[in-house]
Amino acid sequence: QKEVEQNSGPLSVPEGAIASLNCTYSDRVSQSFFWYRQYSGKSPELIMSIYSNGDKEDGRFTAQLNKASQYVSLLIRDSQPSDSATYLCAVNRGSTLGRLYFGRGTQLTVWP
Amino acid sequence: DADVTQTPRNRITKTGKRIMLECSQTKGHDRMYWYRQDPGLGLRLIYYSFDVKDINKGEISDGYSVSRQAQAKFSLSLESAIPNQTALYFCATSDPGTGELFFGEGSRLTVL
Repeated sequence: QKEVEQNSGPLSVPEGAIASLNCTYSDRVSQSFFWYRQYSGKSPELIMSIYSNGDKEDGRFTAQLNKASQYVSLLIRDSQPSDSATYLCAVNRGSTLGRLYFGRGTQLTVWP
Repeated sequence: DADVTQTPRNRITKTGKRIMLECSQTKGHDRMYWYRQDPGLGLRLIYYSFDVKDINKGEISDGYSVSRQAQAKFSLSLESAIPNQTALYFCATSDPGTGELFFGEGSRLTVL
């Protein structure tokens, strides 16, 4: 089992819809979880981080974490064409901050 | 100016050549990383360094070496490049308090 698994894409949603991205991880010791957005040919940029169980909201983005189920998700409300990108789930390796496992990414397309 | 700078941004070379990718950062972080990205495979860790005297192998270190010349500088070398090292390479540094990674703009390497 890969350390971080993301729901297979690509994911396509209409403008204004909610996009739901999911991720599971295998390392029970992990304490830090991140969602990065990556446009084609560009470097990943952080859009959300979450460290405790529950929901964390930032504008149109909501991250959800369930450590018991080893599950983290990202919801994008009112999706815009500019949200079209690949979304990478990243999980901290063990208890050491900074060493991240990355999922393979989910490609999201938001069509007008 | 970017917080994490990589040079060169693009490089085409031939099999068997020695290649060095350089990275410098202005964020003042101790921890630096080299990742490789291939289509459909996500980001994989090659080497990481938690301070100038600390070098550690990541998931895929075979065929690569690194040098940490200073807190701000971390270079990646391919002693004898081979075609399957064709990829997009990212340098990153991490926030010691959150574990968030900050990426450089990437170095696209093609080995013919």
